[in-house]
Amino acid sequence: DQQVKQNSPSLSVQEGRISILNCDYTNSMFDYFLWYKKYPAEGPTFLISISSIKDKNEDGRFTVFLNKSAKHLSLHIVPSQPGDSAVYFCAARLLGGSQGNLIFGKGTKLSVKP
Amino acid sequence: DTAVSQTPKYLVTQMGNDKSIKCEQNLGHDTMYWYKQDSKKFLKIMFSYNNKELIINETVPNRFSPKSPDKAHLNLHINSLELGDSAVYFCASSQVSSTQYFGPGTRLTVL
Repeated sequence: DQQVKQNSPSLSVQEGRISILNCDYTNSMFDYFLWYKKYPAEGPTFLISISSIKDKNEDGRFTVFLNKSAKHLSLHIVPSQPGDSAVYFCAARLLGGSQGNLIFGKGTKLSVKP
Repeated sequence: DTAVSQTPKYLVTQMGNDKSIKCEQNLGHDTMYWYKQDSKKFLKIMFSYNNKELIINETVPNRFSPKSPDKAHLNLHINSLELGDSAVYFCASSQVSSTQYFGPGTRLTVL
């Protein structure tokens, strides 16, 4: 039973354009959401996060939007750069989750073409 | 300096063997984790541990056991390896309930 879903396994975007990566979740008890970026043969790297009490968080070219009523979040990358090509994982933490255990989506592979 | 390191990076072994993967973090974090990324690319928590509490994902076979000699290390021991144990194993660390930092992963192949 997937509590965090990334329904697009891959996304291809032209350099300079916007990349939008989507994530849906089923558990309304999630209180914190994170995006991780992963290059081949490396571990996931934290990118940006958002608390469930907010609907937007921005950090440079990266913005995460949260729609609690729809149980949906998205990561916007503007402008996209070839170095952004990686697998992006959405993750969620349960309210009161012991020691902050995260539940990950399956990831979306982003390819940014020059 | 590497924040979270794992050794070895690759591990190839026969079914039935016992093996260990080491993890060290130099971030001063109080909580460490082990994740498994299977062939379907899901990253799933196996264990989380601080000096007070070990939380085990109930789906993890008891052939897997974490051992923490000190706050900076959480090693993963696997007994009687099976084909289905082949995966990439990631160690991570954090201050409790804060952002987790991951190691580079250990690719385990069981033949």
